[in-house]
Amino acid sequence: EAGVAQSPRYKIIEKRQSVAFWCNPISGHATLYWYQQILGQGPKLLIQFQNNGVVDDSQLPKDRFSAERLKGVDSTLKIQPAKLEDSAVYLCASSPEGQGRETQYFGPGTRLLVL
Amino acid sequence: AQSVTQPDIHITVSEGASLELRCNYSYGATPYLFWYVQSPGQGLQLLLKYFSGDTLVQGIKGFEAEFKRSQSSFNLRKPSVHWSDAAEYFCAVAPYNNNDMRFGAGTRLTVKP
Repeated sequence: EAGVAQSPRYKIIEKRQSVAFWCNPISGHATLYWYQQILGQGPKLLIQFQNNGVVDDSQLPKDRFSAERLKGVDSTLKIQPAKLEDSAVYLCASSPEGQGRETQYFGPGTRLLVL
Repeated sequence: AQSVTQPDIHITVSEGASLELRCNYSYGATPYLFWYVQSPGQGLQLLLKYFSGDTLVQGIKGFEAEFKRSQSSFNLRKPSVHWSDAAEYFCAVAPYNNNDMRFGAGTRLTVKP
């Protein structure tokens, strides 16, 4: 079974530029999560999708961050414009239908550096 | 306020020695408890989880953890560490009645030859 795929693996941009990350969850998984992991900290949930609907985006900085999962499969997370403090690893995770965060599988992450 | 604390930022042990990583939580009720491992450049992998029942939980790769309600702790242990165990370890908690999950700041494990 293929795992959660993310791309790109690394990205370097300048502040005020835009960036987008892509995630393809495990086939058949209904729930998809995006986490932000700042160096030296644990992951923090940004947004959770159930199929193509948003379940929780309470910690998403909506003035600059956006995410979509249009067909209930893969997802894109965008930052526009980026700030220095957005430098982090962005992790995508997915879990099967009917199971919550206790059964989530993580992708390798996208490491973002904002200069 | 809900919180997860991993008091040790960095631990170094010799290969073959025993290991204990500490985790303390502050929640209104007993939450679900997890330990994850993250190797360099990799995503998080679940080592073990506790929902209820036996307070000593066995996980993958020879790890175990013990839930102690009186101490609000969920410490991770391994009797004999291997060089491949060098990684970052995260404790996480989630209330049983909602999807909120909080991670600790992590403990980086270095294994000496």
